[in-house]
Amino acid sequence: GENVEQHPSTLSVQEGDSAVIKCTYSDSASNYFPWYKQELGKRPQLIIDIRSNVGEKKDQRIAVTLNKTAKHFSLHITETQPEDSAVYFCAYKRVQGAQKLVFGQGTRLTINP
Amino acid sequence: KAGVTQTPRYLIKTRGQQVTLSCSPISGHRSVSWYQQTPGQGLQFLFEYFSETQRNKGNFPGRFSGRQFSNSRSEMNVSTLELGDSALYLCASSLAQSTGELFFGEGSRLTVL
Repeated sequence: GENVEQHPSTLSVQEGDSAVIKCTYSDSASNYFPWYKQELGKRPQLIIDIRSNVGEKKDQRIAVTLNKTAKHFSLHITETQPEDSAVYFCAYKRVQGAQKLVFGQGTRLTINP
Repeated sequence: KAGVTQTPRYLIKTRGQQVTLSCSPISGHRSVSWYQQTPGQGLQFLFEYFSETQRNKGNFPGRFSGRQFSNSRSEMNVSTLELGDSALYLCASSLAQSTGELFFGEGSRLTVL
């Protein structure tokens, strides 16, 4: 199939703690893995992406890791802040067949003050 | 640069009617993709247009159609509306086809009664 499994569907953490969201994909030929953040009532926006030639990428408090062998990738947010509260979507670029971005179901992250 | 613009932002229709949604991509972007967002299904790919041609299509019935004009603006149409078509329809543009960052619009929220 072409689905990407995203876990957990909801996540609640204390401000300052870390949050981790994991995704598993099926297309072994995939080479592009972005993460989008959607705040309440807003449009999804790209926050970080990784290509298959690297295993990890960091941007300040967020990082993404990729394990191509296991076909899973994860988003890590450290030192969480209230403005991190949003829905996060992982995605992968499907290469086999019709090329398109396939999105996960989303994770609703709530940061508790 | 102006972002991706979608119209109308909100609309209410009744079953059996048809609806047309419009999307103006970021200037210079030639690829336009459409997604359906529902609470339980996340972001579901509808179709992608590049240079006025449909390049990819998702698993939606033929009631869902679209087109792209020479100025890269795109429209999608849903005929014979069903209750289950109620959703947020998001348009996204990118520089090239099926690759790179997607820039989303605010979406058109369709309610079918």
